[in-house]
Amino acid sequence: DTAVSQTPKYLVTQMGNDKSIKCEQNLGHDTMYWYKQDSKKFLKIMFSYNNKELIINETVPNRFSPKSPDKAHLNLHINSLELGDSAVYFCASSQDSAAYEQYFGPGTRLTVT
Amino acid sequence: GNSVTQMEGPVTLSEEAFLTINCTYTATGYPSLFWYVQYPGEGLQLLLKATKADDKGSNKGFEATYRKETTSFHLEKGSVQVSDSAVYFCALRAGSYQLTFGKGTKLSVIP
Repeated sequence: DTAVSQTPKYLVTQMGNDKSIKCEQNLGHDTMYWYKQDSKKFLKIMFSYNNKELIINETVPNRFSPKSPDKAHLNLHINSLELGDSAVYFCASSQDSAAYEQYFGPGTRLTVT
Repeated sequence: GNSVTQMEGPVTLSEEAFLTINCTYTATGYPSLFWYVQYPGEGLQLLLKATKADDKGSNKGFEATYRKETTSFHLEKGSVQVSDSAVYFCALRAGSYQLTFGKGTKLSVIP
């Protein structure tokens, strides 16, 4: 059983399109995260939700909108995609917002052409 | 602000060689320190952690000691295996609960 899963694994799309990446965790965790890993391999937090409520919202364009329909899911919707959005996006979860260990999904490689 | 600097990769070693991956940090307050590992095609996994100065984290033969005086958390393993080939990320958490990661160091171990 995959603890944190993301779909799709690869996403190739054109500039201006709107796309979504889905994330699900079956660990019963309260807190979920989205990270962006750019071409230089920097891994940076974008958002964090605790019990479906937003607790971290870093400086991210408002074209990015996270949605948490329930504790087990945190989806990422991106409007009007730009070339600079090309990256690998990782979803993660933790027991709660204070837990040391985060469990990561396998990543979604987004390529905007 | 908080930051993590780790050695540039890639690092290529022969099986059974000694591994060191350097990591230094800048943080406000007293951070907790972590090493995460990413195997090919998978997400990151916590490898080890240390939550206060002089703590040593260890797992799967890997070790790292929290050195407050040198603001370092270097990863070491005495004898690497081919299965250790992966990307290793040093990270810290200080103040807020979010993690700050280094750039990652790719390790390749050849037979």
